[in-house]
Amino acid sequence: KAGVTQTPRYLIKTRGQQVTLSCSPISGHRSVSWYQQTPGQGLQFLFEYFSETQRNKGNFPGRFSGRQFSNSRSEMNVSTLELGDSALYLCASSEKQGAAGYTFGSGTRLTVV
Amino acid sequence: AQSVTQLDSQVPVFEEAPVELRCNYSSSVSVYLFWYVQYPNQGLQLLLKYLSGSTLVESINGFEAEFNKSQTSFHLRKPSVHISDTAEYFCAVSDGGGSEKLVFGKGTKLTVNP
Repeated sequence: KAGVTQTPRYLIKTRGQQVTLSCSPISGHRSVSWYQQTPGQGLQFLFEYFSETQRNKGNFPGRFSGRQFSNSRSEMNVSTLELGDSALYLCASSEKQGAAGYTFGSGTRLTVV
Repeated sequence: AQSVTQLDSQVPVFEEAPVELRCNYSSSVSVYLFWYVQYPNQGLQLLLKYLSGSTLVESINGFEAEFNKSQTSFHLRKPSVHISDTAEYFCAVSDGGGSEKLVFGKGTKLTVNP
């Protein structure tokens, strides 16, 4: 069974640009959650999608958005990038809502210059 | 809101020595508790989790953790560490009600020296 796939693995963007990150969950998993990991703030919850609906949202500005498609794949978008958005972005999938059954992907390392 | 405190940011130990990584969480009626491990440039791998039942949970690679409700702790232990256990370990908690996010501690870097 394939794991959670995040693409791309590495990304370099310029301040002010926008970026889209992709997450393909494990087959049969309907929930996808996103987390940001930075040295200063640690791991922080961004949002959770289940059956194409955002079910939970963390405390991030509106520049951070996401969506989930009918095949459960999810994308997150960050607009007007700032240097502080440089981070490892992790997604986790699970069969049901909530963290009990999470499997994490390897992450996308975003560097904003 | 839930919070998690990992008391040690770095723990150096010698190979084959025992280790304990400490984790305390803020009180709640019911919680789910997790330990994850992260190797350099990789995602998070679940080590073990407590959802309900026995307060002592074990992983397949020799780690164990005990849920202590009165002390709101979930410390991770291993009786004998290997070089390959060198990694960063994260304790996390979610409210045990259903569609809840994970709240993570700041992590503990475990370095196993020969």
